[in-house]
Amino acid sequence: EDQVTQSPEALRLQEGESSSLNCSYTVSGLRGLFWYRQDPGKGPEFLFTLYSAGEEKEKERLKATLTKKESFLHITAPKPEDSATYLCAVQGSGGSNYKLTFGKGTLLTVNP
Amino acid sequence: NAGVMQNPRHLVRRRGQEARLRCSPMKGHSHVYWYRQLPEEGLKFMVYLQKENIIDESGMPKERFSAEFPKEGPSILRIQQVVRGDSAAYFCASSLRQNSNEQFFGPGTRLTVL
Repeated sequence: EDQVTQSPEALRLQEGESSSLNCSYTVSGLRGLFWYRQDPGKGPEFLFTLYSAGEEKEKERLKATLTKKESFLHITAPKPEDSATYLCAVQGSGGSNYKLTFGKGTLLTVNP
Repeated sequence: NAGVMQNPRHLVRRRGQEARLRCSPMKGHSHVYWYRQLPEEGLKFMVYLQKENIIDESGMPKERFSAEFPKEGPSILRIQQVVRGDSAAYFCASSLRQNSNEQFFGPGTRLTVL
């Protein structure tokens, strides 16, 4: 069974204070690893897909990286508007390769 | 706005009533997925549908829950005889193809059972 563990559960940063969120996963054949952002009362908003170890993707102040066991979401010089819950999910390459298995998320708060 | 639409956004039901949740996928998308988010839990897969077909309902409770995606109209997740444990946020996602990795989510329906 695919599993995703995210850490820390919550993270408080000062504006401009860079940090990283972790996503550890176990999956029988990785088809894709996904990062989403979720604001309170809203649905997950797609950020990145990573497919293979060594891959990196960037979007504004966010950079996602992938190894064979974990992914990191690096946040450089965050702003208060980056405050949200960040979700990590995996898709395996088995028969149910459409299923997303999610972690519980990291609640990021950026103080001005 | 061509995003995934869900309604209602909030739904309150008393125990024993029925809840109907609707989802219209993104324009051009024919694959719909339902997920449930319980308090303090991650999103859990419930069911995957294509037009007029249920592909995988392995994540959906076998009793009281059903889903459909008719040829015309939105996908519907139906919960009969709701209980307090059904209180959760229900999210619908859609994708262009089954092999399309990215799933795009709607805003969710927050169900409260009194």
